[in-house]
Amino acid sequence: AQSVTQLDSQVPVFEEAPVELRCNYSSSVSVYLFWYVQYPNQGLQLLLKYLSGSTLVESINGFEAEFNKSQTSFHLRKPSVHISDTAEYFCAVTTSGGYQKVTFGTGTKLQVIP
Amino acid sequence: GAGVSQSPSNKVTEKGKDVELRCDPISGHTALYWYRQSLGQGLEFLIYFQGNSAPDKSGLPSDRFSAERTGGSVSTLTIQRTQQEDSAVYLCASSFRQGDYGYTFGSGTRLTVV
Repeated sequence: AQSVTQLDSQVPVFEEAPVELRCNYSSSVSVYLFWYVQYPNQGLQLLLKYLSGSTLVESINGFEAEFNKSQTSFHLRKPSVHISDTAEYFCAVTTSGGYQKVTFGTGTKLQVIP
Repeated sequence: GAGVSQSPSNKVTEKGKDVELRCDPISGHTALYWYRQSLGQGLEFLIYFQGNSAPDKSGLPSDRFSAERTGGSVSTLTIQRTQQEDSAVYLCASSFRQGDYGYTFGSGTRLTVV
C-alpha cells in the first residue's frame, strides 16, 4: 500500500515571494504522483501529474514539481506567488499497473499575504 | 454535463436519520469515485465504480454506508442511521476510464449531523 505525507498544514508567504510545498510518498513499487488544488468552496482540480518521462512537470499557471525517486519526494514550487494562488493543495499518489486507488495527503493551505 | 454535479451542496440532518447524496458525473466518464473529506484530514477513499459495478468498496467505513450507480451515470451514496462522526464533505470524482488519473471532482456535499 502507498501513502503520502504533507508535513506542512499551512504555509503563509508574501505575494511575489517563492514557495515550496512539500510532499513525500511511500511505496514499494513504481508510482504516479499528482498535485491537486482546491480553491475556497470549490472541488479539487488537477494541477499537474507525473506518470513517466521527464521528472520535472509544470502546470499552466507557473507551478512545477519534480519527482525525486531517491528522496521519495514530489515537492511543488512556484518562483513568485500571486494572491489568486491562495488555496489548499493536495499531493496524491497511486501505483502503476492495474487498478490502484489514488491516496491523498492531508493538504497544505497556502496563504498568500499582500 | 460540463462538470461533475453533486447534490445537495449542503445537508443538515438529525442523528439517526438516513441521507442520500447524489453525484452526476461527466457524460461518458466510466469511472466514478467517492471520497470523504473531514476537517484536518486528507481525502478518504470510499468506493470506486467502473460502469455500474463497484470493484473496490474497501473504503466504506461501516455497513451503514452503501452506494449504487445506475445506467453507468448517476451515483447515489446512502448513509443510514447517521452519526455525528459522519459529518464531513463528501466528494465525487469521475474520469474517462480507470487508469486515466485526471480526476474531475464535484464541489461536494457538506453533511452536518446534529
